[in-house]
Amino acid sequence: AQSVSQHNHHVILSEAASLELGCNYSYGGTVNLFWYVQYPGQHLQLLLKYFSGDPLVKGIKGFEAEFIKSKFSFNLRKPSVQWSDTAEYFCAVFLSGGYNKLIFGAGTRLAVHP
Amino acid sequence: SAVISQKPSRDICQRGTSLTIQCQVDSQVTMMFWYRQQPGQSLTLIATANQGSEATYESGFVIDKFPISRPNLTFSTLTVSNMSPEDSSIYLCSVVKQGSEAFFGQGTRLTVV
Repeated sequence: AQSVSQHNHHVILSEAASLELGCNYSYGGTVNLFWYVQYPGQHLQLLLKYFSGDPLVKGIKGFEAEFIKSKFSFNLRKPSVQWSDTAEYFCAVFLSGGYNKLIFGAGTRLAVHP
Repeated sequence: SAVISQKPSRDICQRGTSLTIQCQVDSQVTMMFWYRQQPGQSLTLIATANQGSEATYESGFVIDKFPISRPNLTFSTLTVSNMSPEDSSIYLCSVVKQGSEAFFGQGTRLTVV
């Protein structure tokens, strides 16, 4: 069955540290890829998305992600995190080709300490 | 883009009762979905709401428990039937436009007592 895996469930970093959150999916067809962020008590917010073209995509708040098709991966990165990045991060994959549905990974809870 | 109006925004319900959640979109969309987000967890896809036909349910979700209507391309309802405390969750309506991202309603926070 199609699925999205996020390897890190909880990540704790100090401010200015670099961040990389892993995301892998299992689906051989065409995909659109997303990272969402959810701040405590708030709704989902789109960080970035990939549809086609340059596999390195830049999003809001200094985040970027790289799509590696051969690895079925779409890892999220930020070179220097801030305390305000404390939130939960969700990788999501839209499955095309007849499935036409958006599925989410389990999420990664990031805590950034000042 | 798409603006989604979802209501109610929250409700507290007695066990054994049912609640119907409405989702109204400001434009016609083909793909509409219902999700559940349990406390501290990710979004789980309940079903795809299909216009003019029965919804397509994901594994673990059944029509008797979560009946869905989709009378047209801008509106859908999700009913949570015969509720128990385990149904306490946030329920989200979402639409995906071709070649675009998903848009979400504000969610319905349901508490079953």
